[in-house]
Amino acid sequence: QVHLVQSGSESKKPGASVVVSCKASGDTFNKNAISWVRQAPGQGLQWMGWVNTKTGNPTYAQDFTGRFVFSWDTSVTTTFMQISNLKTEDTAVYYCARTVSGYYFFDYWGQGTMITVSS
Amino acid sequence: DIQMTQSPSSLSASVGDRVTITCRASQSISVYVNWYQQKAGKAPKLLIYAASILQSGVPSRFTGSGSGTDFTLTISSLQPEDSTTYYCQHGYSVPWTFGQGTKVDIK
Repeated sequence: QVHLVQSGSESKKPGASVVVSCKASGDTFNKNAISWVRQAPGQGLQWMGWVNTKTGNPTYAQDFTGRFVFSWDTSVTTTFMQISNLKTEDTAVYYCARTVSGYYFFDYWGQGTMITVSS
Repeated sequence: DIQMTQSPSSLSASVGDRVTITCRASQSISVYVNWYQQKAGKAPKLLIYAASILQSGVPSRFTGSGSGTDFTLTISSLQPEDSTTYYCQHGYSVPWTFGQGTKVDIK
């Protein structure tokens, strides 16, 4: 059974940085990847990008270039998302999700990590 | 980018009703559409992938159909636990985008 377990909620000031982790288990992750999805308060789902867990290569959606960095550590089967220079509009729940190649759907999700950015 | 337009944004139906949610893609995307259910405060749950394939463990009252630009998610007999929000998502090309969501309420 695949499990994705994310790190806990964070409260940060504008301009700070944050790292969210997503520990994966129950899969070799050789064929699939892990995506990050953002959900602002009361809003819908926004795909941010993904990490190829075989190569470690990240791909970013246009809205998430520059301040966002995705990485994958094979030794601990964990993906990390770093956001730098946080802005109040980054306040959201961030999910990691296993991404199945082919039809590119998200079949297993982490529990979500709430990031609150406020002065 | 491919846009996914869901309709309606919300609906209210009675237990036992047949409910249909529509998603329209801004260009033809074959059957590269997936559907999710999200309950308040929880992660989304995959219901349907490749437009019509039911994810393991999902009740058979959920069905998906469509190809090209027009897709539907149907709940054949609405149950109280189905009262929540549903999203479509395309997997045709990066960036994969979601519809804006449909909130389903019980009358």
